[in-house]
Amino acid sequence: DAGVIQSPRHEVTEMGQEVTLRCKPISGHDYLFWYRQTMMRGLELLIYFNNNVPIDDSGMPEDRFSAKMPNASFSTLKIQPSEPRDSAVYFCASRRGGRNTGELFFGEGSRLTVL
Amino acid sequence: QQQVKQSPQSLIVQKGGISIINCAYENTAFDYFPWYQQFPGKGPALLIAIRPDVSEKKEGRFTISFNKSAKQFSLHIMDSQPGDSATYFCAASRGGYQKVTFGTGTKLQVIP
Repeated sequence: DAGVIQSPRHEVTEMGQEVTLRCKPISGHDYLFWYRQTMMRGLELLIYFNNNVPIDDSGMPEDRFSAKMPNASFSTLKIQPSEPRDSAVYFCASRRGGRNTGELFFGEGSRLTVL
Repeated sequence: QQQVKQSPQSLIVQKGGISIINCAYENTAFDYFPWYQQFPGKGPALLIAIRPDVSEKKEGRFTISFNKSAKQFSLHIMDSQPGDSATYFCAASRGGYQKVTFGTGTKLQVIP
């Protein structure tokens, strides 16, 4: 079975540009999570969805960040306008419904560089 | 109260040696403690996990030790190999909540 699929794997853009990161979760998984990883702050949870509905976006750093999940097999994380401090690796992860056992299935990440 | 503190930040171990990574938590409501392994350019992947009613869990060369009274848990990698070189994250979760709280990560390098 395919794992979590993210695109693009690498993105280099200039400050002020719009960035859209994409994620396809594992089929049948009810929960989708967006994380950001930096050396300074480690893995930060940005937002998560349950059955395509955003449940907790308290980790979204500011209004420049938005996320959507229009259907069970697709989610986007958008940054507009992008800034150099947004440079990080963005991970999407998914898991099945039911009791939280801490097991998440991560994609390979999208490395964003904002110049 | 949701934090998980992890140490050391980096670790260099000789091949064949024991790698030890430690984590501590505050929230006694956590009831599941997974460890993740991340190789460069890849996403984290679940390595091994433990529940607080168990003091130790072993899978191959990887062992989790859990001290509920001290609110600490640790990962031991026996007979460390260069292929174990990766970043390791401890984490904690609660059954009724959907978030997973991650430690800050330990970059392990196993040298020949």
